[in-house]
Amino acid sequence: EAQVTQNPRYLITVTGKKLTVTCSQNMNHEYMSWYRQDPGLGLRQIYYSMNVEVTDKGDVPEGYKVSRKEKRNFPLILESPSPNQTSLYFCASGLSLEEGYEQYFGPGTRLTVT
Amino acid sequence: GQNIDQPTEMTATEGAIVQINCTYQTSGFNGLFWYQQHAGEAPTFLSYNVLDGLEEKGRFSSFLSRSKGYSYLLLKELQMKDSASYLCAVPPDYGQNFVFGPGTRLSVLP
Repeated sequence: EAQVTQNPRYLITVTGKKLTVTCSQNMNHEYMSWYRQDPGLGLRQIYYSMNVEVTDKGDVPEGYKVSRKEKRNFPLILESPSPNQTSLYFCASGLSLEEGYEQYFGPGTRLTVT
Repeated sequence: GQNIDQPTEMTATEGAIVQINCTYQTSGFNGLFWYQQHAGEAPTFLSYNVLDGLEEKGRFSSFLSRSKGYSYLLLKELQMKDSASYLCAVPPDYGQNFVFGPGTRLSVLP
């Protein structure tokens, strides 16, 4: 089954404790992306990757890191989480530029930073 | 830069027709997406318009006018399960961000 998986689905942590949210896709997509979704602000892109070892900042990259060492995985790293990073996070993988980067979303990770 | 605008909320009655509008301003254009998102769930793909005109897909249709920077999603024969947020999104040219509109929350009433 074609899918994007994220782990964990729910996480409560404390300020400053490093965490990683994993994302994996089995569709051989080159394009992958991370979003956060907050009430009233919609989906905002954090980082995206056009291919292995190619990553770029989205609209809200501050406080986040990513890596793309292999095609299927695109982890999101919060080195020192803060309460303003409490949010719902979605990973997505996408088709090619010619197909408009149509994206398939993971189930989401609800993160709470206290 | 890229800017997308949608109404925040809409309400309609079961069985009716509703039109959700989206206006956009972009530095480049590579088509426009509509996604559906139920509360707490991931967005799911509804449509992708690249050329002007109306594309119909069952109860859902999407329209695009590139000259006006305008799109709409038309939902017919509304059902209760259509209560969700509807997001329009503009995909990037190479090297740009993928930008989503704020979403329109549709409530379908019996």
